Amino acid sequence: KQEVTQIPAALSVPEGENLVLNCSFTDSAIYNLQWFRQDPGKGLTSLLLIQSSQREQTSGRLNASLDKSSGRSTLYIAASQPGDSATYLCAVRPGGFKTIFGAGTRLFVKA
Amino acid sequence: EAQVTQNPRYLITVTGKKLTVTCSQNMNHEYMSWYRQDPGLGLRQIYYSMNVEVTDKGDVPEGYKVSRKEKRNFPLILESPSPNQTSLYFCASSPTGGTLNYGYTFGSGTRLTVV
Repeated sequence: KQEVTQIPAALSVPEGENLVLNCSFTDSAIYNLQWFRQDPGKGLTSLLLIQSSQREQTSGRLNASLDKSSGRSTLYIAASQPGDSATYLCAVRPGGFKTIFGAGTRLFVKA
Repeated sequence: EAQVTQNPRYLITVTGKKLTVTCSQNMNHEYMSWYRQDPGLGLRQIYYSMNVEVTDKGDVPEGYKVSRKEKRNFPLILESPSPNQTSLYFCASSPTGGTLNYGYTFGSGTRLTVV
């Protein structure tokens, strides 16, 4: 059974720091992996989608990598800003039509 | 604007009183899904639908019903709500195009409290 784990559960960094969020999954047979951002009490905003055949995707200050063989993905945030404070979720889409979410990493960027 | 719209955003109800949370998308997506989010448990899938009249159970379907009579709408029905269904609910959609290589678009969420 596919399980998705995100470490750390919470992270606090000073503004301007580069940081890495981690996502690991137990079964490498996935179609894609998606990173989301969630602000408190709000919906999920899609950040990056990586197909199983891809190694990474970039959008602005965000870069997501995927290593299927080791069951890991990282989300790199460059030059963090207070506006980046949110919970970051990763989700894997294994076979079938289900999606498995990690519990998220709560990020706080201090001004 | 391409979006998934959920209503209502907030709902307080009493145990046993039937309710429906609506979800509508304007992107002509085939796939739609309902999730609930609880502290410490993350997002768990309730039901999903591959297309009109095609639905299937997710991981936590007990106490919920869905229907997909039109492509754009996927309502979530709680026939007899109980306090353990107090949660934040999300609807999501994606195209399929015959593959699973598409990401999701989420609604803004419905915060349900059952007293």
